[in-house]
Amino acid sequence: SAVISQKPSRDICQRGTSLTIQCQVDSQVTMMFWYRQQPGQSLTLIATANQGSEATYESGFVIDKFPISRPNLTFSTLTVSNMSPEDSSIYLCSVDRGSGDEQYFGPGTRLTVT
Amino acid sequence: AQKITQTQPGMFVQEKEAVTLDCTYDTSDPSYGLFWYKQPSSGEMIFLIYQGSYDQQNATEGRYSLNFQKARKSANLVISASQLGDSAMYFCATYSGNTPLVFGKGTRLSVIA
Repeated sequence: SAVISQKPSRDICQRGTSLTIQCQVDSQVTMMFWYRQQPGQSLTLIATANQGSEATYESGFVIDKFPISRPNLTFSTLTVSNMSPEDSSIYLCSVDRGSGDEQYFGPGTRLTVT
Repeated sequence: AQKITQTQPGMFVQEKEAVTLDCTYDTSDPSYGLFWYKQPSSGEMIFLIYQGSYDQQNATEGRYSLNFQKARKSANLVISASQLGDSAMYFCATYSGNTPLVFGKGTRLSVIA
């Protein structure tokens, strides 16, 4: 399995501010993903973070709102910009080791926007 | 496009009994994978079990087994000998090719002492 850490584990932020979430993996991985889980909902993919290239965003998510960095094969950040209460969610990073049958998640970042 | 359907919003099971959580999927790709995850109230997503579309045997991991019925496009999770710590949300998910995971809406399992 992969050991994945996320920082911060939770935060309470004021509307209009930005928060950067970090995801660190204990080994090199090809694919990293960022998901959002709004209260009482399932997981929705925000984007796929590719090392050395721009992230690939899903419909409904834009780079200006959720900029992503992937400087190397073990680390990625997701920024939630100009936050509103609707951004209150759990944000999870996920990694795929490349074999397809191993997809693991970090512990999540619980964000509350007031 | 892939789709996962979990029709049971909530389930109750007595401690030490077995429970089946339903999952049906829809995909046009002949090669795909099916996952089950557990999400306790802490919010983390815990990987439970994986089934590949070409696997001949049903996957098992300890008390978890996946009842894979390819013709029916179903991938039900069976938890044997339920424990109080099994109370959580359970998500079924699928992927194919290079596409990321697609999740169902989840089933909330409550284990009763």
